[in-house]
Parts: sequence; structure tokens; C-alpha cells
Amino acid sequence: AQSVTQPDIHITVSEGASLELRCNYSYGATPYLFWYVQSPGQGLQLLLKYFSGDTLVQGIKGFEAEFKRSQSSFNLRKPSVHWSDAAEYFCAVAPYGSSNTGKLIFGQGTTLQVKP
Amino acid sequence: DAGITQSPRHKVTETGTPVTLRCHQTENHRYMYWYRQDPGHGLRLIHYSYGVKDTDKGEVSDGYSVSRSKTEDFLLTLESATSSQTSVYFCAIRTSGSKGEQYFGPGTRLTVT
Repeated sequence: AQSVTQPDIHITVSEGASLELRCNYSYGATPYLFWYVQSPGQGLQLLLKYFSGDTLVQGIKGFEAEFKRSQSSFNLRKPSVHWSDAAEYFCAVAPYGSSNTGKLIFGQGTTLQVKP
Repeated sequence: DAGITQSPRHKVTETGTPVTLRCHQTENHRYMYWYRQDPGHGLRLIHYSYGVKDTDKGEVSDGYSVSRSKTEDFLLTLESATSSQTSVYFCAIRTSGSKGEQYFGPGTRLTVT
């Protein structure tokens, strides 16, 4: 069965430190990959996406993610975290192909806390 | 902002009562989705629609039904609400093309007492 795993439920980093949030997926072929961010009480905002091509993708708010096929991973990174980055982050996958219905499978989420 | 609104934003209801949540979009997207969000589970797909009157089930569809009589509106109905349906419900649309992106509404917090 298709699945997405975010191994870290909660991460705390100091402001200005680098960040890496992990995401692993289980799927028969390379799916489409997404990262979303959710601030408290808000909806989800798309940070970045990977469909094909360059395995390092850039997103909004200074985030980037790297797709590693051999590890079935799509980890999110940011070189210097700001206090406003404190939120919950979700990795998601969607089936590959033009006939896909776009149904997303989400990981459990990682809550990021930023220390001053 | 993909022009998605959800109503109501908050609702408290009693076990056994019917509840309908509405999702409205302004940009004529073909695909619409209903997810529920629960701690430790991320978001899980309830139902989705790929056009007017065209809907299909997601992974947690039991106890829910949907309808889409107009492109812009996608309704989620709990025929007889249970406490296990206490959750935050999100509607989403997908932009067109095989590489479409999903954008989410602000959510509806439903409490079933």
C-alpha cells in the first residue's frame, strides 16, 4: 500500500540554525511529491513540489527539497530558520501519470518549534 | 488564495444529527476534494469529485456522502454524526493538467457531542 512517513513528530531548532525535515514514501513508481505548511488555525499552504527533472527543487519562503530516488525520500531543508517558520509541515504524494486523480496521501506531519 | 471558502467555519452538533459542510470555489476547477485532519494522522481523503455529479470515495468515506450539482460547490454530508467524526475538515481544489497542484480552503472545525 502507498504510504508516506515523516519520522519526526516534533522538532525544535534555534532561530538561525539550519533545518531538515524528513519524508519517506512507499510507492510502486516515482510519485509526484509535495510539501505543505500549516500555521496554527490555518489551512495548508503549498511550499514546493516535485514532478520530474532536477531533483533539487526550490519553494517559497526560502525552502528547498531534494528528491532521492534510491532512498525514496523527499527531505525539506532551510539554511536559516526564522521564528515565523514555526508551524506544522506535511509531506504528501500523488500518483504519477496523466490519468491520475490527484488524490494526495499525507504523512503524519512534523511540528517545528523555533527557539529564540 | 485559490478562491476557496468553506462554511460554516465552526460547528458544534449532537450525535445522531445530520450535518452538511459546504465548499465553494470561484475558479471553475474540475477536481475538488474533502479531507479530514486528525492528530497523528495528517490529512486523509474522504471523497473527491472530478466533475458535476461525478464523485468517488477516498480512504475514509464511511459515514460520509457528497454531492456536486454545480462546478463551484462541493457538499459533504454526515447523515448521522458520531463523536468519531469530530475533526477539522478541509476542502481542496486541484489546478488543471496532469501535474496539477492542490490548494486548500481554511477548514471547518466540527465537534460532535
